[in-house]
Amino acid sequence: DAKTTQPTSMDCAEGRAANLPCNHSTISGNEYVYWYRQIHSQGPQYIIHGLKNNETNEMASLIITEDRKSSTLILPHATLRDTAVYYCIVRENYGGSQGNLIFGKGTKLSVKP
Amino acid sequence: EAGVAQSPRYKIIEKRQSVAFWCNPISGHATLYWYQQILGQGPKLLIQFQNNGVVDDSQLPKDRFSAERLKGVDSTLKIQPAKLEDSAVYLCASSRTGHGSGNTIYFGEGSWLTVV
Repeated sequence: DAKTTQPTSMDCAEGRAANLPCNHSTISGNEYVYWYRQIHSQGPQYIIHGLKNNETNEMASLIITEDRKSSTLILPHATLRDTAVYYCIVRENYGGSQGNLIFGKGTKLSVKP
Repeated sequence: EAGVAQSPRYKIIEKRQSVAFWCNPISGHATLYWYQQILGQGPKLLIQFQNNGVVDDSQLPKDRFSAERLKGVDSTLKIQPAKLEDSAVYLCASSRTGHGSGNTIYFGEGSWLTVV
């Protein structure tokens, strides 16, 4: 079963920041937080991942709380093309390799003009 | 860098027929995954390969599903005979194998199967 809890859906105005929360209260020390998104009729797209520190790339920022029990994905300037289902996943890292991804139902983000 | 390639993109078959899906992973990726995604749900792992060996096939319905990766590169997923509940998107994904956090999994566009 997925180890994360996300809201079922969220709306965001175009051009505004989209903040997508995720709870992972049972995360263990060797588990990473990964975010993927899936636009209709496409395969899941990798966005970002992190362990303890906040991370930023060209797509988004990932803010992880100090106790690592929750995180927030931030899309700084949402566009209509960011409308998608966003999945927050905790992924085990063991012995230098990592386990597969266990998906929940994700958050359906709708960006509105 | 080319992404994960899958074919066919769409397939419609009658129940009890067979179907095969092909996947070519990103060059140099030793690990290959097949996921099944039923409409309205997140993807679910069917099988994971490391080179040409099976790492995890615990969720693969082995009475009707089979998968192979004979030369450690391309992979084929077969369903025989198909049931109505096999209607889903079949996603292939791949990743490098190594140390640290760089072992990101990348997905193909998926093969859409409708069983009628």
